[in-house]
Amino acid sequence: DAGVIQSPRHEVTEMGQEVTLRCKPISGHDYLFWYRQTMMRGLELLIYFNNNVPIDDSGMPEDRFSAKMPNASFSTLKIQPSEPRDSAVYFCASSPTGSNYGYTFGSGTRLTVV
Amino acid sequence: QKEVEQDPGPLSVPEGAIVSLNCTYSNSAFQYFMWYRQYSRKGPELLMYTYSSGNKEDGRFTAQVDKSSKYISLFIRDSQPSDSATYLCAMSEKDDKIIFGKGTRLHILP
Repeated sequence: DAGVIQSPRHEVTEMGQEVTLRCKPISGHDYLFWYRQTMMRGLELLIYFNNNVPIDDSGMPEDRFSAKMPNASFSTLKIQPSEPRDSAVYFCASSPTGSNYGYTFGSGTRLTVV
Repeated sequence: QKEVEQDPGPLSVPEGAIVSLNCTYSNSAFQYFMWYRQYSRKGPELLMYTYSSGNKEDGRFTAQVDKSSKYISLFIRDSQPSDSATYLCAMSEKDDKIIFGKGTRLHILP
């Protein structure tokens, strides 16, 4: 299995622009998670899905952030409009169950908003 | 008080030494305890997984959970330069989202 695949690996964009991050979970994994990692705040859960349905989006910072999972093999995280404070590494992770056996993370997307 | 507390380090130890990494937590409902290892510019990878209190050993790694003290530890024996990474503790309630510590940066000096 290729693991969790994220794209792009790096993204540099100007403030105010729309940014879309993409994730392909491991086949057969029913749970998908979006995390954001910064030095100051560590790994923060933004939103997670179970069987393509959003379960908990309480970590989404504000309405500028949105996430979708149109099918079992694809998810997007969109930021519109982007701001410099959104600069971080965004990770997608998937799991066959909830939290019981941990998650498999992708390699992340390093976002820089200038 | 933050839900999970972890010393950020960095922690530098000579090769071959025993490493001790620790976390404390405040939520007594946590039942699942994990340690992840994260190399630079990579995603975290699951290293150890423990349910409830007790010890678990896997090769050079030992995870300990003391629920009465709300304290978990990871021990690395015979540390190697390849163990240099950031180690994140993580925990969750039953089948719920995982909460991560901020991670401890570990350097093993050859």
